[in-house]
Amino acid sequence: DSGVTQTPKHLITATGQRVTLRCSPRSGDLSVYWYQQSLDQGLQFLIQYYNGEERAKGNILERFSAQQFPDLHSELNLSSLELGDSALYFCASSALDRGQDGYTFGSGTRLTVV
Amino acid sequence: GQQVMQIPQYQHVQEGEDFTTYCNSSTTLSNIQWYKQRPGGHPVFLIQLVKSGEVKKQKRLTFQFGEAKKNSSLHITATQTTDVGTYFCAGGFLGSGNTGKLIFGQGTTLQVKP
Repeated sequence: DSGVTQTPKHLITATGQRVTLRCSPRSGDLSVYWYQQSLDQGLQFLIQYYNGEERAKGNILERFSAQQFPDLHSELNLSSLELGDSALYFCASSALDRGQDGYTFGSGTRLTVV
Repeated sequence: GQQVMQIPQYQHVQEGEDFTTYCNSSTTLSNIQWYKQRPGGHPVFLIQLVKSGEVKKQKRLTFQFGEAKKNSSLHITATQTTDVGTYFCAGGFLGSGNTGKLIFGQGTTLQVKP
């Protein structure tokens, strides 16, 4: 257990639907990052939150949105889903403000759009 | 734009052979990190390099950061079957406000034949 919890582990949904992926960061970590990993692809940066505020944005589609709540958990909302959105979505947290290097990743949510 | 290129995409070696993966950025990096993802798993942080020309070792793994802070390499000596997985480099870019955001390379998948 890395300390970063992602739910659900698996999600199967139909095109056009909307889903919410949830992430609880490691205790005390203020930064949360979302990445998308498609088959044979690297990790594509989507968005970062720090202590409730959006900090950095990557190539995140307009159909996707995210937020970080006061308890620091984060949610990634994917709407109007397309087949191409099928991927593994990872959340990671970090504690750069405490001088700790590196991200801690969750186990990911595997999204299948049918 | 912010991009990190990593080669090769795949590498098959006989157990006991050495392995090297390379990362390149067209712009100067503030730091580079390396992660390992086992098949079916999530990325796990290995190490961070920050200084120009830095070399760090972890047992059979040697990590280097180029003098210009635009390239990096990971070398594994005498591979073992436990080294199997995908190795990712991830760069932090100057001027991104030190958000901690990382751009990942595409990864090198290592297969080791016993």
